[in-house]
Amino acid sequence: GAGVSQSPSNKVTEKGKDVELRCDPISGHTALYWYRQRLGQGLEFLIYFQGNSAPDKSGLPSDRFSAERTGESVSTLTIQRTQQEDSAVYLCASSLRGAFYEQYFGPGTRLTVT
Amino acid sequence: GENVEQHPSTLSVQEGDSAVIKCTYSDSASNYFPWYKQELGKRPQLIIDIRSNVGEKKDQRIAVTLNKTAKHFSLHITETQPEDSAVYFCAASNPRVGGYQKVTFGTGTKLQVIP
Repeated sequence: GAGVSQSPSNKVTEKGKDVELRCDPISGHTALYWYRQRLGQGLEFLIYFQGNSAPDKSGLPSDRFSAERTGESVSTLTIQRTQQEDSAVYLCASSLRGAFYEQYFGPGTRLTVT
Repeated sequence: GENVEQHPSTLSVQEGDSAVIKCTYSDSASNYFPWYKQELGKRPQLIIDIRSNVGEKKDQRIAVTLNKTAKHFSLHITETQPEDSAVYFCAASNPRVGGYQKVTFGTGTKLQVIP
């Protein structure tokens, strides 16, 4: 079946603009995760969803970042008033509910703030 | 919260030699430890995992060991091949209420296999 998809694949925006990144998880995956990966760096946890609730938002870097999820499907990550330091690849992953399930990653959205 | 440290950050080995990547974690409640491989420009993909009730797991040329007492786990790749060149991430998973997991990743190891 289809894997995790993300859109857009690339986004170039001017500093100060708002951007919205989209993630479509694998059907039936109730857990959804957002990560940020700066060039040559590791995976930085941002937020995760259990269904459409987000019990852990501790990784969001500032109040300019927010995320929501509709039911147990699509999620959007919104960055307001983008800054150059927001430039990175934003990865989404989904998994089945449970302690030992693999996270399946999407291809990521490469965000460049000019 | 959980803290995962990973070493080394870069590793170069000759083709055919073994490679070892080590990770430590801080939260004794973590009970699942996956390893992901990320090739250049691609998404991370699971290559092997181990649960806390197991000390070692093998899958062909790769193996993972876990020492719960010391909170250490390691990835071993034998007979390395050029296609093993990638960035490898360890992770520790902590169960949450409702049957979900909170996964914390290490900072990654860039492995280069020299032909």
